[in-house]
Amino acid sequence: DVKVTQSSRYLVKRTGEKVFLECVQDMDHENMFWYRQDPGLGLRLIYFSYDVKMKEKGDIPEGYSVSREKKERFSLILESASTNQTSMYLCASSFLWSSVHNEQFFGPGTRLTVL
Amino acid sequence: GENVEQHPSTLSVQEGDSAVIKCTYSDSASNYFPWYKQELGKRPQLIIDIRSNVGEKKDQRIAVTLNKTAKHFSLHITETQPEDSAVYFCAASIGPNYGQNFVFGPGTRLSVLP
Repeated sequence: DVKVTQSSRYLVKRTGEKVFLECVQDMDHENMFWYRQDPGLGLRLIYFSYDVKMKEKGDIPEGYSVSREKKERFSLILESASTNQTSMYLCASSFLWSSVHNEQFFGPGTRLTVL
Repeated sequence: GENVEQHPSTLSVQEGDSAVIKCTYSDSASNYFPWYKQELGKRPQLIIDIRSNVGEKKDQRIAVTLNKTAKHFSLHITETQPEDSAVYFCAASIGPNYGQNFVFGPGTRLSVLP
């Protein structure tokens, strides 16, 4: 059974703090993704990675960076947290390419509040 | 880039009735269209998907139809039950060679009333 885990379910930080959100998957997936989920806006892609040390910007990368040093781990970094980054953050993973298995598997999410 | 619209944003139906959620996409090169269900407080999970070479796919009470010419696809849930209450997201793959990168619609909150 695919397992995608995230380091925290709830996180409260102050404006200006550096924030690390971590995601780990155990299915040897090449692709990993970070999404932000806000009511009425769906899931918006922040960054994704298709290989170790590779990263690609998604639709809303401003204010975020990522790190992928190991295949199973993908970190999202908020260099200087701001109140407009208060949101639910979802990590996901999938195979790079498969004629059968295209599904993205999601983690449980981290609800981040920036005060 | 790809843009996915989804309607309605909220939908209430009586238990046993059918529910239909519609999505449109803009990139004619998209070739994979998944639907995810997110129950309250839980992670999104895939419930059904369809590829561009298929017009319809069914799995028990849920079905998805795809009209490539019009660039729209729909989710149909028959004989709705209270456990179908959730937020549903449609998505479209980006480009012909990136089947795993999706653009999601804004979601539909479905409430099934007993």
